[in-house]
Amino acid sequence: GESVGLHLPTLSVQEGDNSIINCAYSNSASDYFIWYKQESGKGPQFIIDIRSNMDKRQGQRVTVLLNKTVKHLSLQIAATQPGDSAVYFCAEKASNTGNQFYFGTGTSLTVIP
Amino acid sequence: GAVVSQHPSWVICKSGTSVKIECRSLDFQATTMFWYRQFPKQSLMLMATSNEGSKATYEQGVEKDKFLINHASLTLSTLTVTSAHPEDSSFYICSADTGTSVLDTQYFGPGTRLTVL
Repeated sequence: GESVGLHLPTLSVQEGDNSIINCAYSNSASDYFIWYKQESGKGPQFIIDIRSNMDKRQGQRVTVLLNKTVKHLSLQIAATQPGDSAVYFCAEKASNTGNQFYFGTGTSLTVIP
Repeated sequence: GAVVSQHPSWVICKSGTSVKIECRSLDFQATTMFWYRQFPKQSLMLMATSNEGSKATYEQGVEKDKFLINHASLTLSTLTVTSAHPEDSSFYICSADTGTSVLDTQYFGPGTRLTVL
């Protein structure tokens, strides 16, 4: 089956620093990618998405980078705040897998005040 | 963004009883809804895909007779855990697809914490 994995299961950063969360995927035909944030006891929340025809997309304090050559996705959070502490999941979808999203294992981000 | 609600947000029940969880898309119609299960500090585990007006598609290893899914309308899907046992205790999360294209986004509900005594 398809797989989407994360390199780092946990990440601790100092408040104010930038955070980078990485994700590898295996399906070269993936068309669409989403980063989700999940706080404890809550459902995943959409953060930012990117299509396969793009390399970079920016949101408010977040940037997603897509490197299709090595099938790698990253989420950059600028000036990380305590409220950014959560588990972050990447998800990818491809038309050759029935448009179903596949989720990575998640990275737990802890922001140190 | 699109809003998905779940009810109840938490439920405690006795072993052997059945529990129904509702998932609603509040401001959009969802042809497809998904049900996930999540254990502490683990990723989402897809249980089934629910399509409006048709039978749900269950993932391998998920008992369809135990986890009954009904997608009666474009805004409502329900998951019923029948004859619940303590091992069914978990965090159940639904999500809804905003469309059928590969570029359509999936939004999640807030989750339902089920505790079976």
